[in-house]
Amino acid sequence: SQQGEEDPQALSIQEGENATMNCSYKTSINNLQWYRQNSGRGLVHLILIRSNEREKHSGRLRVTLDTSKKSSSLLITASRAADTASYFCATDGMDSSYKLIFGSGTRLLVRP
Amino acid sequence: SAVISQKPSRDICQRGTSLTIQCQVDSQVTMMFWYRQQPGQSLTLIATANQGSEATYESGFVIDKFPISRPNLTFSTLTVSNMSPEDSSIYLCSVDWAGPGHGTQYFGPGTRLTVL
Repeated sequence: SQQGEEDPQALSIQEGENATMNCSYKTSINNLQWYRQNSGRGLVHLILIRSNEREKHSGRLRVTLDTSKKSSSLLITASRAADTASYFCATDGMDSSYKLIFGSGTRLLVRP
Repeated sequence: SAVISQKPSRDICQRGTSLTIQCQVDSQVTMMFWYRQQPGQSLTLIATANQGSEATYESGFVIDKFPISRPNLTFSTLTVSNMSPEDSSIYLCSVDWAGPGHGTQYFGPGTRLTVL
C-alpha cells in the first residue's frame, strides 16, 4: 500500500499546550496537504505545502516538510478544545493524476 | 475555496439495494474524486471522475459496483450497487480546486451510509 503513516495514532493534551503530529510517505510528491475531520464529518483543508517548500505557517498552524526523509509535521500551538478532531496528511504524487493518498490519521483530544 | 454539497447526508439501506450519491460544486472544476472512509479508517480513493470521459478506478474498485457519472463540470454521482454491510462507510467527493496541478483539494461533507 502507498498509504502514509502518521504518528502518534492518538494524542491527548491539555488546552493551551502544543500538539505535534508527524506524517511519513513513501514516494516522491508534488504537494502535501493537511486536513482536519470532526467526528466523521467532511474534511476541512488546513494547509498545503509544496515539495520545494520547507516550512509554512497559517495562524496557529506550522507545517514542515523534509523531502529527504519523506516526512512532514503539523504543529498546532496554544491548542483549544475546539481543535479536538482527527488530522490527516495527504500527498499527491508526481504522476500527474492529482489523486491524494492519505495517511492513517492522528486523533487529537484537547482537554479543557 | 469551493463550496461542495452532497446528497444524501446519510442513509440506511437494505442489503442488495443500490444508492446514488450526488455531489454538487458551486463552480466549474476539471477533476472530481470519490473517496471511501470505512469506520475508524483513513480515506481511500475509489475513482477519478472527469467530464466527457469514463471514470478511472483504483485497484480494488470496479465500475459494476461503483458506477460514476460526470455529466458536466459541476456535478457527479456515485452509485453503490448491490450493497452489503461491508459497504457501510462515509463516501466523500472532492474537487481539485484552481485546476490540475494547483494541488488543493476540497471535500464535500460526506454521505454516511449504513447497510443492514
